[in-house]
Amino acid sequence: QKEVEQNSGPLSVPEGAIASLNCTYSDRVSQSFFWYRQYSGKSPELIMSIYSNGDKEDGRFTAQLNKASQYVSLLIRDSQPSDSATYLCAVNTPLVFGKGTRLSVIA
Amino acid sequence: GAVVSQHPSRVICKSGTSVKIECRSLDFQATTMFWYRQFPKQSLMLMATSNEGSKATYEQGVEKDKFLINHASLTLSTLTVTSAHPEDSSFYICSPASGRTGELFFGEGSRLTVL
Repeated sequence: QKEVEQNSGPLSVPEGAIASLNCTYSDRVSQSFFWYRQYSGKSPELIMSIYSNGDKEDGRFTAQLNKASQYVSLLIRDSQPSDSATYLCAVNTPLVFGKGTRLSVIA
Repeated sequence: GAVVSQHPSRVICKSGTSVKIECRSLDFQATTMFWYRQFPKQSLMLMATSNEGSKATYEQGVEKDKFLINHASLTLSTLTVTSAHPEDSSFYICSPASGRTGELFFGEGSRLTVL
C-alpha cells in the first residue's frame, strides 16, 4: 500500500512568518512530487512540482526533496492570511495524496 | 492555463436515484481521466482511471457497477453514481491528463448529497 503521510495540523503561523509543511512517502521508487493547495469546498490547485533532490524555489514557495529520507517539504515565506488553506502533498502519477495539513495564517 | 469544466457543482438527490457528473477538457485532449472522491476532512482518493475509448480501471474497493465511467471522447468523461445512497455523499473531482504534455488538471469538483 503506497502511503503519503502529513501532519493534519492545524499549523498556525503569524503573518509574515515562514510556514513549514512536511510530508513523507512510503514508495521508495517514487519519482514525482507535488504540493497542492485546497481551499474549503474547492478542488486542489497545483503550487509546486519537484522531481530531483534539493530545493526548488518559486516566488514565496520553496519545495525541498530528500529521496534518501523519503521526505518532501514546502516552505512558504512571508506567509499571508490568504495562504490559509489545506496543503496536500501528492506523489507519482496517478497521484497518491496525503490527508493534507491545514495552515492558518494569523493577521 | 487549461480549462476543465465539471458539472454539476452541487447536486442533491434522493436515495436510490442515479446522478451523472460530466467533466470536459475545453482546450486540450485528455487521453487519460482520473476520478477522485474526497470525504470531509479526508484526502482525495483515486476511484478509477480511464483512457479514451477503453474501459475504466477501478481501484480496490470501488464498485464498477455502481460508479459507471464513460470516456468516449478526448474531451468528455462522465461518472454516473447509480442507485445512490447516503454513504455516497462526497466531493467528486475529475482530473484529466493532457495527452500531449502529460500535465494533470483538476475540475472544480461536484458535491453530491444523497438524502
